[in-house]
Amino acid sequence: QAQLVQSGAEVKKPGASVRVSCKSFGFTFTEYYIHWTQQAPGQGLEWMGWINLYSGYTNYAQKFQGRVTMTRDASINTAYLEVNGLRSDDSVVYYCVRGGRDVRQTSFDPWGQGTLVTVSS
Amino acid sequence: QSALTQPRSVSGSPGQSVTISCTGTSGDIGAYNFVSWFQQHPDKAPKLIVSDVTRRPSGVPDRFSGSKSGNTASLTISGLQADDEADYYCCSYGGNSNVLFGGGTKLTVL
Repeated sequence: QAQLVQSGAEVKKPGASVRVSCKSFGFTFTEYYIHWTQQAPGQGLEWMGWINLYSGYTNYAQKFQGRVTMTRDASINTAYLEVNGLRSDDSVVYYCVRGGRDVRQTSFDPWGQGTLVTVSS
Repeated sequence: QSALTQPRSVSGSPGQSVTISCTGTSGDIGAYNFVSWFQQHPDKAPKLIVSDVTRRPSGVPDRFSGSKSGNTASLTISGLQADDEADYYCCSYGGNSNVLFGGGTKLTVL
């Protein structure tokens, strides 16, 4: 059964960077896309971008361009999200989710359990 | 690109049916059949309940059904149950390798 397991909660100071990991189990890693979303407390889901797990190609939502980097290490079936220049409004839950084999597919499943990042001085 | 538009809240009594709409444009929902719906209970990760406009993943009850007309997709939940009380999000491919989510709809089971 396909599963994504994310790294644990983080507390960071404003201006710092954070890297969240997303380890996959139960499917062929390089056949899919991983998408990242964020969710602020009490708010909706916001799509951040995707990474092609075979090629490493990425595409970021315009809002996040220049501030986030998505990478992967196929040798350990793990994808990463790095967010730089953290601000207080980056205190959110980050989710990784498996996309399809086609970048257009939005059949996002499974989801990681979420990683809470708190930005506080 | 703007998010897809959903009603902020809907409600219904147990056993009734409710429909949640999701309005986009001719460049996203109107152009592609890559529309999905997700259910999210408090403090839980979202769960896929409908993909490709009408497809239900294994294990999702047939009380959940999706449809699309023009630039608007809809999720209908029939035979409402207490556990259906959750937030629901629509999602569509938006062209140019981008993805759009709706703002979410809170379903209250009265």
